[in-house]
Amino acid sequence: DTAVSQTPKYLVTQMGNDKSIKCEQNLGHDTMYWYKQDSKKFLKIMFSYNNKELIINETVPNRFSPKSPDKAHLNLHINSLELGDSAVYFCASSQAAPQYFGPGTRLLVL
Amino acid sequence: GENVEQHPSTLSVQEGDSAVIKCTYSDSASNYFPWYKQELGKRPQLIIDIRSNVGEKKDQRIAVTLNKTAKHFSLHITETQPEDSAVYFCAASNGIQGAQKLVFGQGTRLTINP
Repeated sequence: DTAVSQTPKYLVTQMGNDKSIKCEQNLGHDTMYWYKQDSKKFLKIMFSYNNKELIINETVPNRFSPKSPDKAHLNLHINSLELGDSAVYFCASSQAAPQYFGPGTRLLVL
Repeated sequence: GENVEQHPSTLSVQEGDSAVIKCTYSDSASNYFPWYKQELGKRPQLIIDIRSNVGEKKDQRIAVTLNKTAKHFSLHITETQPEDSAVYFCAASNGIQGAQKLVFGQGTRLTINP
């Protein structure tokens, strides 16, 4: 009965490939988020959807495209992966506040 | 936009002593300030939060204080235990159409020495 779940947990891929990360929450929250945590542990928001509508879109390369098929799911598709995309990607959800984080997806681009 | 500075970046205390982590923020419109604890390889977990209409909040050994005038807030952990060892993040946000755009500090690595 995990509240916020992500798949896959680990992702190792070559430069130039396209990959997707999936997130699901069973908390009934209206808002979901994607965060990137870099190698120095810095956490930065990328996107937020409220009830399937894109609300927050930070300065992120357009190779990153979020999609929310319904308010319980938020996916992240990344095209043409680069070495600098290597990081841990966290999904989170909230009903206003606080935000609850998923377990993270560790992406390594070789 | 909002900018959050967090200090110190590392903190080492003896078991049983207190630990204090401080953050400053730049946007006076920020009204929500959570603190997260992240253990190695795990997700950030909320430990306490405070809203701008409150000056202090306490939950057992953890307390947070907020000074809106000075734009700073602090986390206080008393009677520290080895399981308190982790990276702690402060954050500040203002609601945007139902979403909270959390801007995080750089993190503090807290080590409790037995």
